[in-house]
Amino acid sequence: DVKVTQSSRYLVKRTGEKVFLECVQDMDHENMFWYRQDPGLGLRLIYFSYDVKMKEKGDIPEGYSVSREKKERFSLILESASTNQTSMYLCASSSPDRGETQYFGPGTRLLVL
Amino acid sequence: AQSVTQLDSQVPVFEEAPVELRCNYSSSVSVYLFWYVQYPNQGLQLLLKYLSGSTLVESINGFEAEFNKSQTSFHLRKPSVHISDTAEYFCAVNTGFQKLVFGTGTRLLVSP
Repeated sequence: DVKVTQSSRYLVKRTGEKVFLECVQDMDHENMFWYRQDPGLGLRLIYFSYDVKMKEKGDIPEGYSVSREKKERFSLILESASTNQTSMYLCASSSPDRGETQYFGPGTRLLVL
Repeated sequence: AQSVTQLDSQVPVFEEAPVELRCNYSSSVSVYLFWYVQYPNQGLQLLLKYLSGSTLVESINGFEAEFNKSQTSFHLRKPSVHISDTAEYFCAVNTGFQKLVFGTGTRLLVSP
């Protein structure tokens, strides 16, 4: 079974803090994704990576950065957390073929006070 | 740019009733289509997908979806729902890149 794990299920941070969200997958997938999920807006892509040290902006990259130093690990960084970044963050991975399934982690619910 | 529309944000049904969750997409190129399901407090998991071939695709738990190119739709149906089908359902499209575009989701609420 494919497994995608995220470092925290729930996180509470203060405005201005630097926040790291970690994602690890065990299927040797080339692609990894970070989404945020908000009620009524569905999932929106923040960043994705198709190889180690490679990254591309998604639809809403502002206020976020990412790091992929190892194939299995993809980190999302909030340089200076703001209240409008309170959300559910979902990580996913997939192999590179176009029709491949994306496998999701359980999500991290982040509250920024 | 491609987009996915799920018109119904919430669909309440009684157990054992049929249900249809609607999904329309906009794209001028060939598409791959997906339905994902999210149970409470979990991540998303694939329910079914259309890549090519038969326009009717089925999942192992009784859901099916039909790709209709002329109507640009990929509606999800189940003839008889269970309480355990209560979840949020997301339609998604892939149009040639490795990214998916998701709809806003439909919450299916099954009551006894």
